[in-house]
Amino acid sequence: QQKVQQSPESLTVSEGAMASLNCTFSDGTSNNFRWYRQHSAKGLEVLVSIFSDGEKEEGRFTAHLNRANLHVSLHIREPQPSDSAVYLCAVSFSGSWQLIFGSGTQLTVMP
Amino acid sequence: EAGVTQSPRYAVLQEGQAVSFWCDPISGHDTLYWYQQPRDQGPQLLVYFRDEAVIDNSQLPSDRFSAVRPKGTNSTLKIQSAKQGDTATYLCASRGTSNTEVFFGKGTRLTVV
Repeated sequence: QQKVQQSPESLTVSEGAMASLNCTFSDGTSNNFRWYRQHSAKGLEVLVSIFSDGEKEEGRFTAHLNRANLHVSLHIREPQPSDSAVYLCAVSFSGSWQLIFGSGTQLTVMP
Repeated sequence: EAGVTQSPRYAVLQEGQAVSFWCDPISGHDTLYWYQQPRDQGPQLLVYFRDEAVIDNSQLPSDRFSAVRPKGTNSTLKIQSAKQGDTATYLCASRGTSNTEVFFGKGTRLTVV
């Protein structure tokens, strides 16, 4: 059974400072990885999807995948107070589309 | 394009009561998912459909939970005899055949007292 763990549980950064979030998974045959942001009023919003080792950038959000180390990270450049939310990592297998989520990181961006 | 729509947004029940949640997926999306998200946890899959067929309901507590998607469009998730442990946000999501992304609704926040 795939396990997905996120760290840290909570993170506070100042506006403009880089925010880095981590996610480890247990099954190296996984090949679909996503980062979602969850605002209570807006639901889940997909930020970055990454399918191969390396880096994928979407605006201020960059995901790094290292399948050998069972690790995917999210880096948020120039975070703003409006980026304060829960960030969820989700893993799935090709053809399955069943997303397995971590417990999330609560990010707070201070003005 | 309208997103995934869920109703109601909030529900408060006493233990033993029943409740139904409704989901309208993005038009044309053939795959529909129901997730349960307890407080301070990530979403966990309950059941998913392709068109009207149940593909996987192995995580659905079958004694009290049921889900249907009779015409392959809208779906209803029902809880009979709710328990305090059912307190969570229930998320509906959908995906199209040619789309690699899964899109989520805003969820229904259920509190069982």
